[in-house]
Amino acid sequence: SQQGEEDPQALSIQEGENATMNCSYKTSINNLQWYRQNSGRGLVHLILIRSNEREKHSGRLRVTLDTSKKSSSLLITASRAADTASYFCATTGTSYGKLTFGQGTILTVHP
Amino acid sequence: AAGVIQSPRHLIKEKRETATLKCYPIPRHDTVYWYQQGPGQDPQFLISFYEKMQSDKGSIPDRFSAQQFSDYHSELNMSSLELGDSALYFCASSPLGAGADTEAFFGQGTRLTVV
Repeated sequence: SQQGEEDPQALSIQEGENATMNCSYKTSINNLQWYRQNSGRGLVHLILIRSNEREKHSGRLRVTLDTSKKSSSLLITASRAADTASYFCATTGTSYGKLTFGQGTILTVHP
Repeated sequence: AAGVIQSPRHLIKEKRETATLKCYPIPRHDTVYWYQQGPGQDPQFLISFYEKMQSDKGSIPDRFSAQQFSDYHSELNMSSLELGDSALYFCASSPLGAGADTEAFFGQGTRLTVV
């Protein structure tokens, strides 16, 4: 990946449990976004956090951003089988909005 | 609500052939991005257009070219196809003129298989 690593690369949990995924990046950013991708399909935007924000919530999602460590985490609470997908973080560092993706975490939620 | 439309959804080409992928952004979105995602890989930025002008360029091979037309749709032209070009190609659009902190909306992608 051009951006960095996502941790873990794969995560397997039971329905109802929380899932935490981490992302590190290398360059300075304007914002960091999380996307979800079901197998072989399009990328769905989940949440955007600006570089001057530290935490953001959206429904069952909680995102944190630590610009000093160049890292972010995505927490999905009370997971559901339908949350099974790949999750990518992506950063923008230019004014034209180009996204640089991390390698992604494959999340499997067992019913 | 209208989404980003990509066509075709699937494409099979032979080595050394050419392919043209089309992208129709969400109405009133002024920016289009192209990404390539190989099997098991993260999406890689290829190229983007803002108001019909190329705005940014990534790891796009010289065999590929793209443009954005007056109606804001975009086409990615790929020539002398190689087996390694087999991938999922995504187009995304955003209303970038509204500010840098805007999300990109992705199409469902075109799956290109080169045989």
